[in-house]
Amino acid sequence: EDKVVQSPLSLVVHEGDTVTLNCSYEVTNFRSLLWYKQEKKAPTFLFMLTSSGIEKKSGRLSSILDKKELFSILNITATQTGDSAIYLCAGTTNSGYALNFGKGTSLLVTP
Amino acid sequence: NAGVMQNPRHLVRRRGQEARLRCSPMKGHSHVYWYRQLPEEGLKFMVYLQKENIIDESGMPKERFSAEFPKEGPSILRIQQVVRGDSAAYFCASSQSSYNEQFFGPGTRLTVL
Repeated sequence: EDKVVQSPLSLVVHEGDTVTLNCSYEVTNFRSLLWYKQEKKAPTFLFMLTSSGIEKKSGRLSSILDKKELFSILNITATQTGDSAIYLCAGTTNSGYALNFGKGTSLLVTP
Repeated sequence: NAGVMQNPRHLVRRRGQEARLRCSPMKGHSHVYWYRQLPEEGLKFMVYLQKENIIDESGMPKERFSAEFPKEGPSILRIQQVVRGDSAAYFCASSQSSYNEQFFGPGTRLTVL
């Protein structure tokens, strides 16, 4: 059975800290890994990663995929209180469509 | 460009009633997905539809649940004879193709009394 595991489950940091969120996966016929940010509403798309070793960056957020070791990390630098959310990662297979989500990492950034 | 729209945002039903959840995909998207998020659990895939076709319903409970995406109008997720265990947040997502990223709607929070 395909499995996506995120760690840590929760994290509390101070504003300005840098955080690293982890996502490991066991997905048959793996195709891509996606990161989403979920506040009290819709999960918001952050990144989709298909190639190993290529970092994707958007402002203070960046992510990279390691297809050999079957994991991905999401980095957030200079955290702000607005970064407080649940961060979800999901794997997809070559059949293309269903996102297989992990349970998420709950991040709280304190002032 | 409006995002994925879902309505209602909150729905309360008594046990045994029917629940209808609607989803309008983003403009230009013809692929729709439904996910369910139970309390304390992650998002789980339910069904994938294209216009007038159900492509994959492997995540749908076998009874009481159905989905459609007609040629005109929104996608509908229908739950008949709701039970308390159906209480959850139901999210719809859409994409341009089955290989593109999926964009999520705000969800419908169903409460069954």
